[in-house]
Amino acid sequence: QKEVEQDPGPLSVPEGAIVSLNCTYSNSAFQYFMWYRQYSRKGPELLMYTYSSGNKEDGRFTAQVDKSSKYISLFIRDSQPSDSATYLCAMRLSGNTGKLIFGQGTTLQVKP
Amino acid sequence: NAGVTQTPKFRVLKTGQSMTLLCAQDMNHEYMYWYRQDPGMGLRLIHYSVGEGTTAKGEVPDGYNVSRLKKQNFLLGLESAAPSQTSVYFCASSLGRQNRRVNEQFFGPGTRLTVL
Repeated sequence: QKEVEQDPGPLSVPEGAIVSLNCTYSNSAFQYFMWYRQYSRKGPELLMYTYSSGNKEDGRFTAQVDKSSKYISLFIRDSQPSDSATYLCAMRLSGNTGKLIFGQGTTLQVKP
Repeated sequence: NAGVTQTPKFRVLKTGQSMTLLCAQDMNHEYMYWYRQDPGMGLRLIHYSVGEGTTAKGEVPDGYNVSRLKKQNFLLGLESAAPSQTSVYFCASSLGRQNRRVNEQFFGPGTRLTVL
């Protein structure tokens, strides 16, 4: 079993929908939780990160972490066709080695 | 700034051949990383470096070697390529002096490698 599990999708929604992307994990020692976005045939880019539990909002994007359930979510409000991409969750322990553990990625398509 | 660049973009190898992938960054980042991405597996860390002259193993280091002779460059070597090494390889870099700065890793465009 992988340390970080993510439903690969694909997920298809109409423009304007609220999208919920999720990951579960098994290592309770993870402290930092990240969401990366990857467009087709490109490298991933960081959307946002959260330290420990709680919510973080950035424009149309909200990240939530529930450490008691070992579950993290990314919500996208008013989804746009430009949001069509693969979304990768990642997490790591404290300390600064930079060793990220990624989920498999969820492919999202937002239809006009 | 070019950011993170990778050379080559595509390569086809025969089993047993060797090759080196080059990663360069112009952001003066301390940390550099090599990942591979396979369908259904996400990104997996191969090796990483926290500074010039230092390297460390990641999740899947077997069959690969790395070197970081200069701060801006990180090389990934395959000594004897195997079909299981067919993948897309991504290099990334980040700041490292503050704990949270390693969360933002800047990725290159990837190298698509096929081993026949």
